[in-house]
Amino acid sequence: SYVLAQPPSVSVAPGQTARITCGGNSIGSKSVHWYQEKPGQAPVLVVYDDSDRPSGIPERFSGSNSGNTATLTISRVEAGDEADYYCQVWDSSSDHVVFGGGTKLTVL
Amino acid sequence: EVQLLESGGDLVQPGGSLRLSCAASGFTFRNNAMHWVRQAPGKGLEWVSAITGSGGRTYYADSVKGRFTISRDNSRNTLYLQMNTLGADDTALYYCARDPGVTGIYYFDYWGQGNLVTVSS
Repeated sequence: SYVLAQPPSVSVAPGQTARITCGGNSIGSKSVHWYQEKPGQAPVLVVYDDSDRPSGIPERFSGSNSGNTATLTISRVEAGDEADYYCQVWDSSSDHVVFGGGTKLTVL
Repeated sequence: EVQLLESGGDLVQPGGSLRLSCAASGFTFRNNAMHWVRQAPGKGLEWVSAITGSGGRTYYADSVKGRFTISRDNSRNTLYLQMNTLGADDTALYYCARDPGVTGIYYFDYWGQGNLVTVSS
């Protein structure tokens, strides 16, 4: 089955840029989606189809996808960005939705 | 405004059954595939099942295939998850989520607030 690998944690100072990676075999050939989950709240879609943003999501959130790695980039990080972030794809070979294990973003 | 409201979560004994419901509003329900996603305490997100807008195709994670059944009633704008032979590993917060696709499966653009299922004796 298809596997997505995320680093368990990423730390960044306020105002800096956070990059959260999502690794998978030829992930560049798939559409990758990203979710933000804060404690006690439902997940929120922050990037879809590799690099598109839903309405209401700040331009500070961006995504890219190539080769074996997709990346969620958060520019000018704020304290309110502290959350768990998950990548997700649809694996058509198994007809399964696949999530990465999640990355906890800590704002120092 | 899109709203998804889950219900039916409860404490159930191992081997028992439970049916979750998700009442949808604010959009044309039949025009969207729907999903169930769960999160065990302190763990990550796990996709459980999906169903196309018409209900004609269903998909299941390996961990629940043969035990769980997803269905929908488009006349009642309601999504269901029938869960049988429950085990401790099924203890989780269960989310209902909308997919922007109708016949294809893509991602989750709206989520409910979640409903807790606890399997314990």
